[in-house]
Amino acid sequence: GESVGLHLPTLSVQEGDNSIINCAYSNSASDYFIWYKQESGKGPQFIIDIRSNMDKRQGQRVTVLLNKTVKHLSLQIAATQPGDSAVYFCAEGENQGGKLIFGQGTELSVKP
Amino acid sequence: GAVVSQHPSRVICKSGTSVKIECRSLDFQATTMFWYRQFPKQSLMLMATSNEGSKATYEQGVEKDKFLINHASLTLSTLTVTSAHPEDSSFYICSARGQGALLDTQYFGPGTRLTVL
Repeated sequence: GESVGLHLPTLSVQEGDNSIINCAYSNSASDYFIWYKQESGKGPQFIIDIRSNMDKRQGQRVTVLLNKTVKHLSLQIAATQPGDSAVYFCAEGENQGGKLIFGQGTELSVKP
Repeated sequence: GAVVSQHPSRVICKSGTSVKIECRSLDFQATTMFWYRQFPKQSLMLMATSNEGSKATYEQGVEKDKFLINHASLTLSTLTVTSAHPEDSSFYICSARGQGALLDTQYFGPGTRLTVL
């Protein structure tokens, strides 16, 4: 298999603060990137995606930034809420709908 | 729309037995389904890509004779873990890619927790 993580890094934020979750990807040929949210015992839930011809995309309370020069992806969550507590994964692929390779994930913990 | 289900959600079996996990696209036809495995506190690892009507493509290091995949229809793919052992205990997740407007992304199922005693 590919991209198997070892232990999840964690990020702890105060409710109402902004969160920034980072991801480094490995394949220069990847042109499609997705952020997923996974709650305990559940499958991944789509948050936002971005193609390589863009460097920023915004959704509702979330923004994804893509820096192809250094192969870096970030997810910004505005006004973080307790319901945002979960593990967040970035995933890369060479085309939309194709095989995805997942990053190691970051556990976000929101303190009330 | 674009709902994917898995059955069972949890299964406990004895070592040496085989377990079948179903993945269904409920409201769309899935030409391609993907099977992932996830160990605690780790990322999703792609096991295989399943295309309807053809043999699955397995990722390097995944034993095709141990993890049998059948994608017999456009709404159903099954993963059978044969002669399961405790080290096969994991969270198995499928995803499905649709046609037309649903071609662009993968929709994930809720996962199946397998425990092998």
